[in-house]
Amino acid sequence: NAGVTQTPKFRVLKTGQSMTLLCAQDMNHEYMYWYRQDPGMGLRLIHYSVGEGTTAKGEVPDGYNVSRLKKQNFLLGLESAAPSQTSVYFCASSYGGASTGELFFGEGSRLTVL
Amino acid sequence: AQSVTQLDSQVPVFEEAPVELRCNYSSSVSVYLFWYVQYPNQGLQLLLKYLSGSTLVKGINGFEAEFNKSQTSFHLRKPSVHISDTAEYFCAVSLYNFNKFYFGSGTKLNVKP
Repeated sequence: NAGVTQTPKFRVLKTGQSMTLLCAQDMNHEYMYWYRQDPGMGLRLIHYSVGEGTTAKGEVPDGYNVSRLKKQNFLLGLESAAPSQTSVYFCASSYGGASTGELFFGEGSRLTVL
Repeated sequence: AQSVTQLDSQVPVFEEAPVELRCNYSSSVSVYLFWYVQYPNQGLQLLLKYLSGSTLVKGINGFEAEFNKSQTSFHLRKPSVHISDTAEYFCAVSLYNFNKFYFGSGTKLNVKP
């Protein structure tokens, strides 16, 4: 049982380059989330999805785009990377959102923008 | 947006000593409350959750937390810690009928032998 899988796990980009992070879950969860983790700031929500074909903005959406074309996948895109986007990115999924009370996290993707 | 405050960024403690990690939140409406743990180079995993009912919640690995509505707090406790409890702990909150989880800044628990 893989749970939540993120690819790639590590990536180095130059300023202005683009990339996509892939999150895949095999638990048939409706809700999926992208967070970034920065030292001393905890996790901040970038974008989330409450079902296939839907997306919504979180706390820090600027500079990111997302897509949920298939229920099991949630993609996070950076169109023009900036050094401020250097961070560890976590994907999470949930069966029923807050009312079921549990997020399942991937192992993270460490992105460095030079 | 909701606010979650973890008052201590780092907590050093000796093995077998008790520990309390503090969490306060700001909300004028009912909330769900959670504690997650993150071991080095891993994702977060759920320790315990408060959705409703008893205000004392027991979780995995001997941890427990108490929901105090009047003080808007959800402090995490363990009566006797082990070296293996060394990790970062995150408090999180979500509103009823709302699907976003807000996290605190984290508390690093360092258990010393």
